[in-house]
Amino acid sequence: EPEVTQTPSHQVTQMGQEVILRCVPISNHLYFYWYRQILGQKVEFLVSFYNNEISEKSEIFDDQFSVERPDGSNFTLKIRSTKLEDSAMYFCASSLRTGGDSPLHFGNGTRLTVT
Amino acid sequence: AQKITQTQPGMFVQEKEAVTLDCTYDTSDQSYGLFWYKQPSSGEMIFLIYQGSYDEQNATEGRYSLNFQKARKSANLVISASQLGDSAMYFCAMREVYNQGGKLIFGQGTELSVKP
Repeated sequence: EPEVTQTPSHQVTQMGQEVILRCVPISNHLYFYWYRQILGQKVEFLVSFYNNEISEKSEIFDDQFSVERPDGSNFTLKIRSTKLEDSAMYFCASSLRTGGDSPLHFGNGTRLTVT
Repeated sequence: AQKITQTQPGMFVQEKEAVTLDCTYDTSDQSYGLFWYKQPSSGEMIFLIYQGSYDEQNATEGRYSLNFQKARKSANLVISASQLGDSAMYFCAMREVYNQGGKLIFGQGTELSVKP
């Protein structure tokens, strides 16, 4: 069964450094998402992406964050200057449609630790 | 604004028994989908079951069923014949059909522990 893949599974970085989290969505999916989950807390929406542009972003997704689909397969999340509070699990997800009957398929996540 | 509420932070169930995880939602849209995801301790998010707002029958997927009560805006997950491997965090989520980006909004989650 096709799946969303994320790399790396764990990233440790120092405060102020830039990080890029990578995702390969399911190949025929058109809609892409990033979510984050601070340890033990709820899963929070960051951004949705379709047709090479952001469809919607949350208040969390400020100027420090950016997303890109550099080629036909990868979807990346960049954090320009990491803060301690960016430590979280970051999930990439993709969906075939935006319709309410189409689930989001999630990757296994990247655990980001900012020291 | 859409909102999902899961009022049970933690639940215990005996192996082989059934358990119900509660979920209520709020939306002004008429068309939406409700989803349940399982998150084991390893961290991945696994899609379990879906219910559409216009579906008249409750969704079922193997041991999972969704008790959908539209008037009460509730979408409870029922797990029958619990197994030790069902121990995990469970999230209820909603997706509005006409939301521009199609995002899912999640509840706070319920941690289920299955006792042998």
